[in-house]
Amino acid sequence: GAVVSQHPSRVICKSGTSVKIECRSLDFQATTMFWYRQFPKQSLMLMATSNEGSKATYEQGVEKDKFLINHASLTLSTLTVTSAHPEDSSFYICSARRLAADNEQFFGPGTRLTVL
Amino acid sequence: DAKTTQPPSMDCAEGRAANLPCNHSTISGNEYVYWYRQIHSQGPQYIIHGLKNNETNEMASLIITEDRKSSTLILPHATLRDTAVYYCIVRVLNAGNMLTFGGGTRLMVKP
Repeated sequence: GAVVSQHPSRVICKSGTSVKIECRSLDFQATTMFWYRQFPKQSLMLMATSNEGSKATYEQGVEKDKFLINHASLTLSTLTVTSAHPEDSSFYICSARRLAADNEQFFGPGTRLTVL
Repeated sequence: DAKTTQPPSMDCAEGRAANLPCNHSTISGNEYVYWYRQIHSQGPQYIIHGLKNNETNEMASLIITEDRKSSTLILPHATLRDTAVYYCIVRVLNAGNMLTFGGGTRLMVKP
């Protein structure tokens, strides 16, 4: 089956530092990857849509200069949280849309970010 | 995508069937019903989807009413590992756009 990995699975950083999260489709190509954020006891909220070779599309209220997204290949998208603050602490999840007729999406295991 | 309504929480005894309802009264003719679940601190996991006929796979069964305005996900023999938040999502097949998650139902399977 289609597998999506995220790295790291868990990260703790100091306030003001930047953190990069990788999302990889391991056995399929993905032209589009979606980045979600989930706060405790809440549902997943879409942050941005990442398209290979082009700029990401951000949802309303998500700062593009703070959450930098790069989708340089058909198997890798990265999310960089710049100048992280405690309020950025959250569970970040990516999903990858398979480059196939079914356009099926597969989710990564998530990255738990804690900003001290 | 059509809006869905699910109860916020449910309990189920281990070994018994868990029946999770979902209302989607504004569903369009070309929209499918998808179910995902999210175990604590993990990414969502696809369970099953269907259009109008009942569907069954190794994880669950999906029962869709004749008018397609509601559906029920059935876990025939719930185990403790089935404790999770279950999301019902309505969308066009192969749409490729992002998935919109509502509140879901938090299922607690108890021994």
